[in-house]
Amino acid sequence: AQKVTQAQTEISVVEKEDVTLDCVYETRDTTYYLFWYKQPPSGELVFLIRRNSFDEQNEISGRYSWNFQKSTSSFNFTITASQVVDSAVYFCALSEAPSGGSNYKLTFGKGTLLTVNP
Amino acid sequence: EAGVTQFPSHSVIEKGQTVTLRCDPISGHDNLYWYRRVMGKEIKFLLHFVKESKQDESGMPNNRFLAERTGGTYSTLKVQPAELEDSGVYFCASSPGVWNNEQFFGPGTRLTVL
Repeated sequence: AQKVTQAQTEISVVEKEDVTLDCVYETRDTTYYLFWYKQPPSGELVFLIRRNSFDEQNEISGRYSWNFQKSTSSFNFTITASQVVDSAVYFCALSEAPSGGSNYKLTFGKGTLLTVNP
Repeated sequence: EAGVTQFPSHSVIEKGQTVTLRCDPISGHDNLYWYRRVMGKEIKFLLHFVKESKQDESGMPNNRFLAERTGGTYSTLKVQPAELEDSGVYFCASSPGVWNNEQFFGPGTRLTVL
């Protein structure tokens, strides 16, 4: 069975601080995908990134960066120089490759509420 | 291009009543998913459609929930009769096809059962 753990329920930082959101996953599959979604106060889930299990390269997109380590089954997300607009709930999710068809159902962590104070 | 839309945004009903949630996926997306987040818990998968066909209903809580996707376009999720524990946010997501598993989510429907 697959599982995603986001141990940090809430994090509060002051603007311009760096912050790392942790994500640990469990899966028996060798082919899988990891995602991060952002849920701002408006409620929708906004896609941030997708990584597949064969690509362990870290990724940077502006102030966002992701550290994927298969050895520790972790896919952590760092925001550099945080801003008030980064305040949101962040979800990490896992999808195993379907044995047939296109069912890439997601297993989510419980989410981390990030509050960035001015 | 319009994103995934859901209607209503919020529904308040009494225990025992019926509620129907609607999801309009992105045009051309064959895959449609329903998820639910109950207060304080994870977002959980409910079911998956490919076009009008249900592929996986393993996450549906019980037979009070019925999902349909007529003509492979929009989808409805009916709860009948609603119970208190059905309260939560219901999300719909769509994705293009087999080789693209990025799911685009709608804003969700917040269901409150009193």
